[in-house]
Amino acid sequence: QVQLQESGPGLVKPSETLSLTCTVSGASISSYFWNWIRQPAGKGLEWIGRTYTSGITNYNPSLKSRLTMSVDTSKNQFSLKLNSVTAADTAVYYCAGETGGHGAIFDSWGQGTLVTVSS
Amino acid sequence: DIQMTQSPSSVSASVGDRVTITCRASQGISSWLAWYQQKPGKAPNLLIYAASSLQSGVPSRFSGSGSGTDFTLTISSLQPEDFATYYCQQANSLPPTFGGGTKVEIK
Repeated sequence: QVQLQESGPGLVKPSETLSLTCTVSGASISSYFWNWIRQPAGKGLEWIGRTYTSGITNYNPSLKSRLTMSVDTSKNQFSLKLNSVTAADTAVYYCAGETGGHGAIFDSWGQGTLVTVSS
Repeated sequence: DIQMTQSPSSVSASVGDRVTITCRASQGISSWLAWYQQKPGKAPNLLIYAASSLQSGVPSRFSGSGSGTDFTLTISSLQPEDFATYYCQQANSLPPTFGGGTKVEIK
């Protein structure tokens, strides 16, 4: 069973960089696309982007200029960096894997971590 | 981006009721559609992929249908644990996009 766990600061100051890590167990991080998805309180889901071990990344065009994603195969982890954050970036951030082989369908999820942007 | 529109935004139903949720894509997505269930404070859980394929471990009372631009999720007999918010998501092209959600509430 694939398990994912997000980690990182829960509070980030405006204009600074939001950094999160997702640790994967039960699956090889080298074999799948790994995604970040966020959800502001009381709102819907927004795909942020995805990364693959070969360095392939796909980003949401609405966030692309502020995003960096990468994979660390030695730790079975992948990461998200979002710079120049504002209050609009406050949300629960989920990491998710495309581990079922059905395209960009998210069949494994972390529990989510709340990130608040505030001074 | 492909826009996904769900209806209704909320529905009140009783245990045992049949519930149908619809999802419309702004352009054709073949069968590249998934449905998720989300309970408060929890991550979404995949129910259906490829428009009509049931994810392993999901009860058979859940079913999906459709192709092209119009899709439905049906719960044949609503159970207490099914009260939640449901989202559709297209996987035809990047960026993947989600519908606005349908909240299934207790009548």
